Amino acid sequence: GDSVTQMEGPVTLSEEAFLTINCTYTATGYPSLFWYVQYPGEGLQLLLKATKADDKGSNKGFEATYRKETTSFHLEKGSVQVSDSAVYFCALSDQKVIFGTGTRLQVFP
Amino acid sequence: GAVVSQHPSWVICKSGTSVKIECRSLDFQATTMFWYRQFPKQSLMLMATSNEGSKATYEQGVEKDKFLINHASLTLSTLTVTSAHPEDSSFYICSARDSGILRTGELFFGEGSRLTVL
Repeated sequence: GDSVTQMEGPVTLSEEAFLTINCTYTATGYPSLFWYVQYPGEGLQLLLKATKADDKGSNKGFEATYRKETTSFHLEKGSVQVSDSAVYFCALSDQKVIFGTGTRLQVFP
Repeated sequence: GAVVSQHPSWVICKSGTSVKIECRSLDFQATTMFWYRQFPKQSLMLMATSNEGSKATYEQGVEKDKFLINHASLTLSTLTVTSAHPEDSSFYICSARDSGILRTGELFFGEGSRLTVL
């Protein structure tokens, strides 16, 4: 069945550091891919999405490119801020939506 | 953006009682809603897919007689935890797909309901 694998956390960075959170997937069809973010004490919210191969999703300085050849959708940000501290979930959507295990990001000043 | 409302946000109940959680799409129609369970510091586990007008589809290992799901209308799905026990204590989250934008598959999430069974 479909699955999503993302790197384990926590990821600890200093402010203004470069961020990469890896995400790979397996799917029988052609899913849409998403990154969701959960800030402390809040619910999930969509960060960015890509619906087909080579699409790049971007929002709030975060980017991810749908790579069909490597079945990946890695999340990147060039300069993280303390306010980016949260749990990030990679997800794919085909018949149903499957989430990765989540990666906790901690950014220190 | 689309809004999904979930109620109640917090519920505490005695062991053996049943608890109902509602999930409403406020400004769009949702033929499909999903129910997830999230344990502390863990990911979301898909429990079941709720389809309007038909029976829910449960994931492997989820007891359908324990977690009753009803999707009576295009804007409302309910999850009832029957005969709750302390191990059912968790954070339950519903989500819905906007039927008008099926192609993207984007989900909109409720705020979640924290269930504590004493």
